[in-house]
Amino acid sequence: DTEVTQTPKHLVMGMTNKKSLKCEQHMGHRAMYWYKQKAKKPPELMFVYSYEKLSINESVPSRFSPECPNSSLLNLHLHALQPEDSALYLCASRPGQPNTEAFFGQGTRLTVV
Amino acid sequence: AQSVAQPEDQVNVAEGNPLTVKCTYSVSGNPYLFWYVQYPNRGLQFLLKYITGDNLVKGSYGFEAEFNKSQTSFHLKKPSALVSDSALYFCAFNTGFQKLVFGTGTRLLVSP
Repeated sequence: DTEVTQTPKHLVMGMTNKKSLKCEQHMGHRAMYWYKQKAKKPPELMFVYSYEKLSINESVPSRFSPECPNSSLLNLHLHALQPEDSALYLCASRPGQPNTEAFFGQGTRLTVV
Repeated sequence: AQSVAQPEDQVNVAEGNPLTVKCTYSVSGNPYLFWYVQYPNRGLQFLLKYITGDNLVKGSYGFEAEFNKSQTSFHLKKPSALVSDSALYFCAFNTGFQKLVFGTGTRLLVSP
């Protein structure tokens, strides 16, 4: 299994809602990532988990809250988002060594209304 | 600051012609360089990587890339383009702290 699975594929939420994005991989990868991507722009790193511990937070607003319940799962909890947070949210995983490639999920298209 | 640059926003090529998508890097030490492709509304797919060793790296779907240390470049190439190669291509590097950083991307359009 070489897949990273993200759910849901699409999400529309109001600015007062609370929702969660889910990411799952069964490749035994020890590093997992959340990226945000706006249209026609490169992915921007948000968070990195290494061995289930948060190792990088790229100064992301607190309305985004990551969680890594175990080595296969990564969640992104969303609360009180703004319309400008609408984007494609990508999850990725990699074995952990810096010379290895990352595997990406297909993303969650988030629209904040 | 370390970075990769993709100087072309868009590359146009006719089907059957060779294609090149350019990437230059400013990375200290031994760079770990990657190419990814993204189709519309999809995640990124890994194409190839340079770690060390041979300067010509072969990857998926007939793509290859040439690592040139003197020119600090890592251009993506394919001998004969297909219409289905039309997509967004990203060059990327790893900082060594598990931080994968992307260039600005190049849109490839292959015309029939």
